[in-house]
Amino acid sequence: EMQLLESGGGLVQPGGSLRLSCAASGFTFSSYAMTWIRQAPGKGLEWVSTISVNGGGGAYYADSVKGRFTISRDNSKDTLYLQMSSLRAEDTALYYCAKIGLWTTVPTGYLDLWGRGTVVTVSS
Amino acid sequence: EIVLTQSPATLSLSPGERATLSCRASQSVSTSLAWYQQKPGQAPRLFIYDASNRAAGIPARFSGSGSGTDFTLTISSLEPEDFAVYYCQQRTDWPQALTFGGGTKVEIK
Repeated sequence: EMQLLESGGGLVQPGGSLRLSCAASGFTFSSYAMTWIRQAPGKGLEWVSTISVNGGGGAYYADSVKGRFTISRDNSKDTLYLQMSSLRAEDTALYYCAKIGLWTTVPTGYLDLWGRGTVVTVSS
Repeated sequence: EIVLTQSPATLSLSPGERATLSCRASQSVSTSLAWYQQKPGQAPRLFIYDASNRAAGIPARFSGSGSGTDFTLTISSLEPEDFAVYYCQQRTDWPQALTFGGGTKVEIK
């Protein structure tokens, strides 16, 4: 069964840092682009960042996190990461990792597998 | 940046009724649009992709239509498990960006 499992969330003070992890299983992780999506309490979905299959093909960020967050992956460990620094109250959210689907070898841009999320709370 | 506007924000219907959800894009996205369902305490799930294609395992009562800037998700006859929040998402800017609509909550009347 394909699965994504996020971890690393928690309570952090404004200006602090946190690293989220997303462990993948049940599929060939290295073949898929991956993304982070967040959802603030009671709000909708917000794209955070996307990384290509090997990382070297590109990493992309929402303007709201650019320069503060870094996405990375370790294909040998089937794990996606999100390093978050200079955290702000408005970064408080449930953070999901999600897999980008493929049409044979072409990424679809649609999110066909999601994890259950990990909660990040930024507060003093 | 393409903005997606969903309407209505809330749809109050009874089981067995037909639900019609709208998603409007600020500029054309062709048919590069998906719909997701999210139930309380759960992650979103892909339901429709490329505007009108059902994802694996999605019941036939769900259908998507539209192209360009106007899209519709229709649930032909609501089942109890269909009451949830639905989001549209466009991929025209991918990988540089993904955009979601604000969501439509389908609630039991």
